Amino acid sequence: EVQLEESGGGLVQPGGSLRLSCAASGFIFNNYDMNWVRQAPGKGLEWVSYISTSSSTIYYADSVKGRFTISRDNAKNSLYLQMNSLRAGDTAVYYCARVDADKPTLDYWGQGTLVTVSS
Amino acid sequence: DIVMTQSPDSLAVSLGERATINCKSSQSVLYSSNNKNYLAWYQQKPGQPPKLLIYWASTRESGVPDRFSGSGSGTDFTLTISSLQAEDVAIYYCQQYYNTPPFFGQGTKLEIK
Repeated sequence: EVQLEESGGGLVQPGGSLRLSCAASGFIFNNYDMNWVRQAPGKGLEWVSYISTSSSTIYYADSVKGRFTISRDNAKNSLYLQMNSLRAGDTAVYYCARVDADKPTLDYWGQGTLVTVSS
Repeated sequence: DIVMTQSPDSLAVSLGERATINCKSSQSVLYSSNNKNYLAWYQQKPGQPPKLLIYWASTRESGVPDRFSGSGSGTDFTLTISSLQAEDVAIYYCQQYYNTPPFFGQGTKLEIK
């Protein structure tokens, strides 16, 4: 069974940093591109970042470019999001999601981890 | 960037009736080399992550009931629920995967009338 489990969320002050993790299981992690998608409370879905299987291709939303860094460790079946210079507008549930290259859409999502940026 | 706009923002339909949600992209998401529309639909129920329903604009994901169907091409797309069930109450999102950033629509909230 495909499982994605995010962790690392919490309360952080503006300007602070946080590192999110996503543990993958039930599939061959290094065969799949991955994404982070976030959802502010009561709002819609916002794509945040993409990383290819070998980490050779990475994209970011303009809203996080220069502040967030996506990475992965295929040996550990894990995806990461390093978030620096956090702002109140970054408050959201952060989901990791797998890309099915045959579709090519986000076919599995984790349950999400809540990041709250507040003083 | 390809901007996705859904209509309506909210919709109330009686049980057993048809529900129709529209999605319009600011430019075509039809890839000419394979004649596929890079458009997906997701369903999100309260407190849950989104769930993939439809990809390639009209292909149902495995396990999705056949009352859900997708149609359209180019810039205009529709998600149809042929006979609304109580468990279909959710917010529905379209997303283009033609290029980056893969924007989502703003969502359509579907309720029971």
